[in-house]
Amino acid sequence: IVMTQSPLSLPVTPGEPASISCRSSQSLLHSNGYNYLDWYLQRPGQSPQLLIFLGSNRPSGVPDRFSGSGSGTEFTLKISRVGAEDVGVYYCMQALRTPTFGGGTRVEIK
Amino acid sequence: QLVESGGGLVKPGGSLRLSCAASGFTFSDFSMNWVRQAPGKGLEWVSSISSSSSHIYYADSVKGRFTISRDNAKNSLYLQMNSLRAEDAAVYYCARDMGGGYSDEYYYFYGMDVWGQGTTVTVSS
Repeated sequence: IVMTQSPLSLPVTPGEPASISCRSSQSLLHSNGYNYLDWYLQRPGQSPQLLIFLGSNRPSGVPDRFSGSGSGTEFTLKISRVGAEDVGVYYCMQALRTPTFGGGTRVEIK
Repeated sequence: QLVESGGGLVKPGGSLRLSCAASGFTFSDFSMNWVRQAPGKGLEWVSSISSSSSHIYYADSVKGRFTISRDNAKNSLYLQMNSLRAEDAAVYYCARDMGGGYSDEYYYFYGMDVWGQGTTVTVSS
């Protein structure tokens, strides 16, 4: 399954919203009703961090300004108000089949 | 917490064994994964192993060369890497996932919620 993210780069103004798109070449919707799509943030020099799992679920400790939506082959990560700490590369990942990551979206502060 | 070790410089064709020490959670309850990142590149899943080692999966790029294993008594995950190539050079992360299920060919899972700091593998003559 090929994962395609857009945009590649996203300059954002602090306090403004941001949105990242992720498309999969096949549906990520399992017969159990869950979409096997996660979002990760890799801050500069750090390990990846889980932001969203199963398409729209936020782990404890992840700020509620992060939200995930979508189903099937189209998914979106939204940040309601971008802060300086949100800078980094965002990856979507599917694990319905052999896991694959999107190419990443680099978020930077204007 | 997850702490990787074992990375280093190895010649093409050589071998290396990575380790990942887990603490702070019941290791034997979770499936584990290896994910790598080549210099300046994105993330690539490498391998997964179920909690009891009954299910093991590999990326095509490493199948037949890498072996994932675990020792639940030692709270440790391993990756034996043989016949290393230049394209295997990367930071290797171990990561715990939150759960999933099994089909004939795949382990479908979600949420790699705990990651190590990574260990660097360099393959060069």
